[in-house]
Amino acid sequence: GNSVTQMEGPVTLSEEAFLTINCTYTATGYPSLFWYVQYPGEGLQLLLKATKADDKGSNKGFEATYRKETTSFHLEKGSVQVSDSAVYFCALSQGAQKLVFGQGTRLTINP
Amino acid sequence: EAGVAQSPRYKIIEKRQSVAFWCNPISGHATLYWYQQILGQGPKLLIQFQNNGVVDDSQLPKDRFSAERLKGVDSTLKIQPAKLEDSAVYLCASSLDGHLNTGELFFGEGSRLTVL
Repeated sequence: GNSVTQMEGPVTLSEEAFLTINCTYTATGYPSLFWYVQYPGEGLQLLLKATKADDKGSNKGFEATYRKETTSFHLEKGSVQVSDSAVYFCALSQGAQKLVFGQGTRLTINP
Repeated sequence: EAGVAQSPRYKIIEKRQSVAFWCNPISGHATLYWYQQILGQGPKLLIQFQNNGVVDDSQLPKDRFSAERLKGVDSTLKIQPAKLEDSAVYLCASSLDGHLNTGELFFGEGSRLTVL
């Protein structure tokens, strides 16, 4: 079945550091890929998405590129802020099938 | 626009007791989902409704869990009897069209269940 694997957390960085959170997936065909974020005390919300190979999703300074050759969708940000502290989830779906999540990566940014 | 509403936010019960969670999706959203998120894991789909019909309940433990969505709007998720391993956050989400390739899910803040 479909699955998503994220890098182990937690991740702690200083403000303005470069961020990469790795995500790889297993799926047949061409899934859509998502990053969801959960800020403290809030519900999960969509951060960005990509629906086909080589697409780049971007939002709030975050980017992720759909790489079919490496089955990856790594999340990156050039300069993180304290307000980016949250739990980040990589996810995939195919057609109208259910959204499958990775285990989440907790990110803490220190001032 | 009001978001997805869930209640209660927190519930503590003893094993073998019952509990119910309520969800009010975003107005006009046809598809409603219940996810279970165990500590340290990603959310796992329990059941998906399209209007008031069930689309996917393949991972719902039907011997103890039940869910309904009367009139295609609000939904309740019930656990009876609860087990220790049911301790988790229960997330409700809704989407406009249920087609995840193009749409997105809107999540509530979740209901945290602790079973003692």
